[in-house]
Amino acid sequence: RKEVEQDPGPFNVPEGATVAFNCTYSNSASQSFFWYRQDCRKEPKLLMSVYSSGNEDGRFTAQLNRASQYISLLIRDSKLSDSATYLCVVGGGGSYIPTFGRGTSLIVHP
Amino acid sequence: NAGVTQTPKFQVLKTGQSMTLQCAQDMNHNSMYWYRQDPGMGLRLIYYSASEGTTDKGEVPNGYNVSRLNKREFSLRLESAAPSQTSVYFCASSEGSGTTEAFFGQGTRLTVV
Repeated sequence: RKEVEQDPGPFNVPEGATVAFNCTYSNSASQSFFWYRQDCRKEPKLLMSVYSSGNEDGRFTAQLNRASQYISLLIRDSKLSDSATYLCVVGGGGSYIPTFGRGTSLIVHP
Repeated sequence: NAGVTQTPKFQVLKTGQSMTLQCAQDMNHNSMYWYRQDPGMGLRLIYYSASEGTTDKGEVPNGYNVSRLNKREFSLRLESAAPSQTSVYFCASSEGSGTTEAFFGQGTRLTVV
């Protein structure tokens, strides 16, 4: 079982839609959780950290469920510019290595 | 404010040739990483360096070597390139321990023919 698993998609949604991605992780001792965004042929960049209490940044909401070992990303009022691949990242828990999921592809169409 | 700088950005090699990918960060980070990214495979860790003076294998180390030259620089060497090493390579750095944000370089697109 891969340490961090994501549905690869693609999620194909119209502008204005709400879309949610989930990511599961296997290491129950993991301490840090992030969502990264990667545009086509570009490097990944941090979108937001995920805190135990959940956090919101504009149209984006991230939540953590430690009991079920998953994190989620909710995007409201999708824009064309949200089209990208979203990478779930889990860190800590005795490892020096941040572990990346394979990413979920989002395509927002007019 | 350069962040993580990788060179070169593009490279074409013939099978059997060698080359070194350079990576430098100016954020005083302890940890540095080399990943490769292939379609449908996500980011796979090749080698990492948790701190200056240490290096460790990641998920796919075969065919590669690394050097943590100093705190700033972490290079990746392909001794004898193979077509299977055609990929996009990313260097990244973080303050340490895998619990903090990782910053990536712009990537090196390598083709081995």
